[in-house]
Amino acid sequence: SYVLTQPPSVSVAPGQTARITCGGNNIGSKSVHWYQQKPGQAPVLVVYDDSDRPSGIPERFSGSNSGNTATLTISRVEAGDEADYYCQVWDSSSDHYVFGTGTKVTVL
Amino acid sequence: EVQLVESGGGLVQPGRSLRLSCAASGFTFDDYAMHWVRQAPGKGLEWVSGISWNSGSIGYADSVKGRFTISRDNAKNSLYLQMNSLRAEDTALYYCAKGGSNDYGGHNWFDPWGQGTLVTVSS
Repeated sequence: SYVLTQPPSVSVAPGQTARITCGGNNIGSKSVHWYQQKPGQAPVLVVYDDSDRPSGIPERFSGSNSGNTATLTISRVEAGDEADYYCQVWDSSSDHYVFGTGTKVTVL
Repeated sequence: EVQLVESGGGLVQPGRSLRLSCAASGFTFDDYAMHWVRQAPGKGLEWVSGISWNSGSIGYADSVKGRFTISRDNAKNSLYLQMNSLRAEDTALYYCAKGGSNDYGGHNWFDPWGQGTLVTVSS
């Protein structure tokens, strides 16, 4: 089955840039979506189709995808960005949706 | 405003059954695929099952295939998950989520999500 690997944690100072990676075999050929989940809350879509933002999501959130790595970038990080982040793809070989292992972003 | 409200969770013994429901509002329900995604306590997200707009296409995670059945009633704007032969490892918060298109598969995302209903499988 298709595996998506994320770093368990990323720490960043306020105002700096956080980069969260999502590794998968030839992930660049897939559409990658990203979710933010704050403690006790349901996940929220922050980026879809590699780099598009749903309405209401700040421009500080951006995405890219190439080769074996997709990346969610959070610019000018704020305290409110502290959350778990998950990547997600559709695996056509298994007809299953797959989530990444998740990354906890800590704002120092 | 799109709203998804799950219900039906609870404490159930191993081997027993439970039926989850998800009431949808604020969008044209039968234009979209719908999904169930679960999250075990302290763990990550796991896609459970998805169903296309007309129930013509359905998929299940390997971990629940043969035990869980997804269905929908477009007249009632409702999504269901019948869970049989429950195991301790099925203990999780179950979320209902709207798909990004009318088909359950493909390059789709989940947006929005409900607040979830907790299923605890324990004797």
